[in-house]
Order: sequence, then structure tokens, then C-alpha cells
Amino acid sequence: DGGITQSPKYLFRKEGQNVTLSCEQNLNHDAMYWYRQDPGQGLRLIYYSQIVNDFQKGDIAEGYSVSREKKESFPLTVTSAQKNPTAFYLCASSIRYGSSTDTQYFGPGTRLTVL
Amino acid sequence: EDKVVQSPLSLVVHEGDTVTLNCSYEVTNFRSLLWYKQEKKAPTFLFMLTSSGIEKKSGRLSSILDKKELFSILNITATQTGDSAIYLCAVPGGADGLTFGKGTHLIIQP
Repeated sequence: DGGITQSPKYLFRKEGQNVTLSCEQNLNHDAMYWYRQDPGQGLRLIYYSQIVNDFQKGDIAEGYSVSREKKESFPLTVTSAQKNPTAFYLCASSIRYGSSTDTQYFGPGTRLTVL
Repeated sequence: EDKVVQSPLSLVVHEGDTVTLNCSYEVTNFRSLLWYKQEKKAPTFLFMLTSSGIEKKSGRLSSILDKKELFSILNITATQTGDSAIYLCAVPGGADGLTFGKGTHLIIQP
């Protein structure tokens, strides 16, 4: 089955620890994205990647880092520098970045709680 | 800065009612507007609108775009409890991913 997978589904972290959230897609999409969702807020873009070995900061990149070594994978690391990391994290992908087919498809999300 | 505003932020109706959700936008280089439905987890794609005045329809859901007035509406007729969700409106930004509105939290009461 084609789709986007994220793991883990739930993640608990102690303050001061870095954690990495996984995102994998087998849709052969070039572009991938990470969003954060907080209660009462829309989704906010953290990082995006147009193509392998390339990524750009979104609106709220501080305290996060990413890599894009493979087309299928776009892991997000939440570092200890992120002041309010507790949130629901969504990964998405689209066929190409900035094309007329802008539809992004989302993974099931990871809920991160910092204790 | 790109902006998407949805209204209302929350809405409670009875099963069988018709609802209209609103989305207004400001974007530098408009390409499309997207509607998503988010139940408990991942947003699922509903519609992508690119042309004014052309209604897109899927079952009881329909949506239309007005590029002159910079808004879109999402209609749901004969609502069912399974329609309860957060409905998100988004536009692709100039250099970034999608810019989302805060969503409309729709609750359908039996």
C-alpha cells in the first residue's frame, strides 16, 4: 500500500532530551514537509524539503532539525532548544514542490509530550 | 505574509442540518486552495480549487472558490454525526508549504 507512515504514534520525552520523529513515504513524492499542530491553532510549517539532500526552514524552525538523505525519509529531530515541544506533529508529502498539483498527503501524526 | 482565516471557529448543529464553512485568504501568488477534514489524526484531502465559480462536489460535500473576493466556502448538506471533525482550509505559499487557517471545529449532534 502506498502512503506516509510516522512513528512513534505517541512519544514522551524528559526535558533536556533530543528526540527524533520518523516519517517515511513510498509515494515517490519529491517534496516532504513537517508541521506542528497545537490546540486551537492551524498547522504551522516547521521545515520542508523540495528534493533529496535539500531542506528549508519554515515558519517555526527554531529548536528543530531535519535531514533528507533519502527520497523516502524525512526525520525531524526536536532538540532541547525547542521551548514548547509538546504538540502533535504531522508529516506530509506532495508530488513536486510548488507545482500546480499542490495537494499534500499527511501521515497519521506523532503526539509528543514533554514531561 | 500569506494569511488564511476560517469562520466560524466552532459550530454545533443537529444531524440533518446544512452547514456552510468559510475561508478567506490573502496570498501573494495564488495557485490553489485546499480543504481538508481532520478527525482524530491526519488531515484527509477533500478538495483542491483553482478556478472561480466552478463547484467541486463529493457526495454531500461541495466547495466553491471566489478569486475576486478571495474566499471559499465548504458546504455540507444533510449532516451526519460522522461529519464531526475539524475542517481545515489551506493555500500554498510563495516559498513555503501550505499556510493553514485555524480550522472550523464542527460538531454534529444526533
